[in-house]
Amino acid sequence: GNSVTQMEGPVTLSEEAFLTINCTYTATGYPSLFWYVQYPGEGLQLLLKATKADDKGSNKGFEATYRKETTSFHLEKGSVQVSDSAVYFCALSDEVGDYKLSFGAGTTVTVRA
Amino acid sequence: DVKVTQSSRYLVKRTGEKVFLECVQDMDHENMFWYRQDPGLGLRLIYFSYDVKMKEKGDIPEGYSVSREKKERFSLILESASTNQTSMYLCASSPGAGGYNEQFFGPGTRLTVL
Repeated sequence: GNSVTQMEGPVTLSEEAFLTINCTYTATGYPSLFWYVQYPGEGLQLLLKATKADDKGSNKGFEATYRKETTSFHLEKGSVQVSDSAVYFCALSDEVGDYKLSFGAGTTVTVRA
Repeated sequence: DVKVTQSSRYLVKRTGEKVFLECVQDMDHENMFWYRQDPGLGLRLIYFSYDVKMKEKGDIPEGYSVSREKKERFSLILESASTNQTSMYLCASSPGAGGYNEQFFGPGTRLTVL
């Protein structure tokens, strides 16, 4: 079956530091890959996505590249802000016809001023 | 603006009570989902529905049931609440068919079963 493995947290950084959250996956087909973010007290919201190999998703200064050869979708941001403090989830879904998302365990990121 | 609402943000119930969690979306989405979120486990799918009156079991359906009588509303039911069902419950919806579609989440209901 499908599975997603994220680096364990929590991660604590200073403002303007570089952030990387590793994500690797196992899938039977050709999945779409997603990063969702959950700010304190809120539900999840989509941060970025990639639907095929070598696609790069980007949003709010975050980037992730779909690497089929290493089955990875690592999230990066060059200079984090305090407002980036949140829980980040990597997720995948199978190709067309499958509505379900498989989530990683989540990585809590805290950015200090 | 896209919106998924859940009936309560916080709920406290006693063991053995019947519990209803309601979710409403205003986007005319076909698909709706119920997850529970626990620390270190991420989100786990309980049930989902891709049409009115249709339901499919997710990864952890035991102890739960669902109801979808109208397209916009998806209810999660705990027939007899137990302490191991204390968790954060998240509802989501997505449009049409296909795994490429973004899911939109509600703010969550934090349920405590005493």
